[in-house]
Amino acid sequence: DVKVTQSSRYLVKRTGEKVFLECVQDMDHENMFWYRQDPGLGLRLIYFSYDVKMKEKGDIPEGYSVSREKKERFSLILESASTNQTSMYLCASRRTGSYEQYFGPGTRLTVT
Amino acid sequence: AQSVTQLDSHVSVSEGTPVLLRCNYSSSYSPSLFWYVQHPNKGLQLLLKYTSAATLVKGINGFEAEFKKSETSFHLTKPSAHMSDAAEYFCVVSEGQGNKLVFGAGTILRVKS
Repeated sequence: DVKVTQSSRYLVKRTGEKVFLECVQDMDHENMFWYRQDPGLGLRLIYFSYDVKMKEKGDIPEGYSVSREKKERFSLILESASTNQTSMYLCASRRTGSYEQYFGPGTRLTVT
Repeated sequence: AQSVTQLDSHVSVSEGTPVLLRCNYSSSYSPSLFWYVQHPNKGLQLLLKYTSAATLVKGINGFEAEFKKSETSFHLTKPSAHMSDAAEYFCVVSEGQGNKLVFGAGTILRVKS
């Protein structure tokens, strides 16, 4: 079974803090993704990576950055957290040639 | 640009009755379409996918969806709802080679006993 794990299920941070969300997949997938999920908006793509050290902006990259130093790990960074970044963050991975994305359980981030 | 509209934000059915979750899409070329399900406090799980083969697609847990190009629809159905089907369902269209998924806003399915 494909497993995508995220470092925290719940996280509370203060405005202005730097926040790291970590994601690890164990199936040697080339592609990894970060989404945020908000009620009534579905999931929106923040960034994705198709290879180590490679990244592309999604639909809502503002206020976020990413890092992929190893194939299995994809980090989402909030340089200076703001209250409008309070959300559920979902990580996913996909093998090149397959359509299916496999999702982690999510991290619920609250910024106060 | 591709987009997805899920026509109902909430659907409530009785256990044992049929389920219909409606989805319309817009796409400039032949789309790939998916339904994902999210149970409370769980990650998303793929229910089924359409990728230009048979227009009637069977998925897990008895769900089906039919791709209708003339109606630009991809509605999700199940003949008989179970309590365990209560969850949020997302209709998704894929752009390009599968790295860009466009999600609908989601439909929350409630199953009454």
